[in-house]
Amino acid sequence: GALVYQYPRRTICKSGTSMRMECQAVGFQATSVAWYRQSPQKTFELIALSTVNSAIKYEQNFTQEKFPISHPNLSFSSMTVLNAYLEDRGLYLCGARQGHSDYTFGSGTRLLVI
Amino acid sequence: AQSVTQPDARVTVSEGASLQLRCKYSYSGTPYLFWYVQYPRQGLQLLLKYYSGDPVVQGVNGFEAEFSKSNSSFHLRKASVHWSDSAVYFCVLSGGNYKYVFGAGTRLKVIA
Repeated sequence: GALVYQYPRRTICKSGTSMRMECQAVGFQATSVAWYRQSPQKTFELIALSTVNSAIKYEQNFTQEKFPISHPNLSFSSMTVLNAYLEDRGLYLCGARQGHSDYTFGSGTRLLVI
Repeated sequence: AQSVTQPDARVTVSEGASLQLRCKYSYSGTPYLFWYVQYPRQGLQLLLKYYSGDPVVQGVNGFEAEFSKSNSSFHLRKASVHWSDSAVYFCVLSGGNYKYVFGAGTRLKVIA
């Protein structure tokens, strides 16, 4: 079946430092990868959508300068949170899909900023 | 514009009672609708989805949902809840741009 793994599961970083998280698709080709953030007590916000052979599209309030994303092949994507501050804490969720299929989501990377 | 409204932030029900979690959506086209569940400190798990056809769709663990075009709704139901159903439930809309738009979530607490 289609699975998505995210790592690390949880991480702590010091305020002002950066943190990279990874997303691995298994059992299918991840032609599209979506990154979401769930801030404490809030719902999931789309950060950006990456589609192979297309430019990465960032949503309003999120930028490449802050959340650079790499999607080098059909099984892997990574996102870095640069200069993380308190407001960046939360659960970062990766969802991947092949073509127009449903997204398969990972379990998320929980980021704590101290 | 696409949006999802889950009007109930928190719902508490007794174990064994029936459950309905409400979801209203706004989208001018044909929606794809999902319900996901998030257990404590975990990611998302798909409960069920609706694309077309029978407006009542069955999901895992005894959950079902009913799509209503006239009411722009996709309410989730379960006949008899168990304490292990305590979690946060998200209604999700996918429109023509393939983005998933999440509702705010409903936190379900099942009490003895």
